Amino acid sequence: IAGITQAPTSQILAAGRRMTLRCTQDMRHNAMYWYRQDLGLGLRLIHYSNTAGTTGKGEVPDGYSVSRANTDDFPLTLASAVPSQTSVYFCASSDSDREGAGELFFGEGSRLTVL
Amino acid sequence: GQNIDQPTEMTATEGAIVQINCTYQTSGFNGLFWYQQHAGEAPTFLSYNVLDGLEEKGRFSSFLSRSKGYSYLLLKELQMKDSASYLCAVMDSNYQLIWGAGTKLIIKP
Repeated sequence: IAGITQAPTSQILAAGRRMTLRCTQDMRHNAMYWYRQDLGLGLRLIHYSNTAGTTGKGEVPDGYSVSRANTDDFPLTLASAVPSQTSVYFCASSDSDREGAGELFFGEGSRLTVL
Repeated sequence: GQNIDQPTEMTATEGAIVQINCTYQTSGFNGLFWYQQHAGEAPTFLSYNVLDGLEEKGRFSSFLSRSKGYSYLLLKELQMKDSASYLCAVMDSNYQLIWGAGTKLIIKP
């Protein structure tokens, strides 16, 4: 089934460690996004990419980096994890060239706990 | 600043109708979206409004008034499987989505 795959599904990480969350889509969507979701808050955009080779900062980019070497993959890296980065992370994609481009397709999420 | 407001939690009865409201203040407007998110799962797209009025899709309808900065999601003939969080999101002038915190809908038999 076509869609977005995230890995890992869940991870417990010691503070200070480096971590990469993987995201792969097979829908050939040009735009991809990383969000974090915390209790009581709306989804917050970390980084985005409108097309392969380009990336941009979202609302809460500090402590995170991304790359978009090709259309399908959009990994998110925490260079040195801190407890405030404990969250559920969602990768999403959209066909941003058409009207209604806010129709996002989400991965199943990666639950990250930083101790 | 940009702001999306929706109730934190609502309770309704199976078979009934419920209306979930969303008000917004954003820099520009390029559409309003509703998503459904079951506990522990990813959000899934429900509806999109860019013009004023009502969009109907089966048991779900979504209404938009741009002049009032207001939308609602109407769910009819509620089923237990409709228990979920409902997220309102607005696309601003930069084509970025601004998200509300979501409304947790509890359906009781």
